Amino acid sequence: EVQLAESGGGLVQPGRSLRLSCAASGFTFDDYAMFWVRQAPGKGLEWVSSISWNGANTAYAASVRGRFTISRDNAKNSLYLQIHSLRAEDTALYYCAKDINRGSTGTSTWPFDYWGQGTQVTVSS
Amino acid sequence: SYVLTQPPSVSVAPGETARITCGGNDIGSKSVHWYRQRPGQAPVLVIYYDDNRPSGIPARFSGSNSGNMATLTISWVEAGDEADYYCQVWDGGTDQYVFASGTKVAVL
Repeated sequence: EVQLAESGGGLVQPGRSLRLSCAASGFTFDDYAMFWVRQAPGKGLEWVSSISWNGANTAYAASVRGRFTISRDNAKNSLYLQIHSLRAEDTALYYCAKDINRGSTGTSTWPFDYWGQGTQVTVSS
Repeated sequence: SYVLTQPPSVSVAPGETARITCGGNDIGSKSVHWYRQRPGQAPVLVIYYDDNRPSGIPARFSGSNSGNMATLTISWVEAGDEADYYCQVWDGGTDQYVFASGTKVAVL
């Protein structure tokens, strides 16, 4: 059974940094691109970042480019999102998600077939 | 940037058919995916590549995509279908994944 478990969220002051993690199990992690998607309170889904199966290719939403860094450790079956210079508008539930297609680049037409339950990030002084 | 437009809400009686639209410029040339998000839960993929159902999704869910509109159809609506539904595409022009704002389906 595919499982994705996010962690690392919390209440953070504006301007600080945070590192989110996503522990994956139930599938061959290093075969698949992975994603971060966020959802602000009462709002819709927003794609944040993608990383290819081997970590060689990454992509970011325009709203976070330059402040967020996605990475993965295939030996640990883990996905990460480093967030710098946090802003109030970064307050959201952050989901990690898996690509449906093996060997994907993370920048393609394929959908996200499994999602974790999310980790809450709240930016406030 | 590419914009997807969904109606904020759709109301349907049990046993009837719900149709949720997703509008976008020449969306028929793109691959559309649909996700269901029940209250307090993570999204679930219900239709991918316009009209394909993942395993475990009942045949009551179907999709179509042509011209400037994609549609998710839920036949024989049940109380458990009450949720937010989002369409999503990959915009190769900007290298961005795009979600619409979502449609809340209310079962009367």
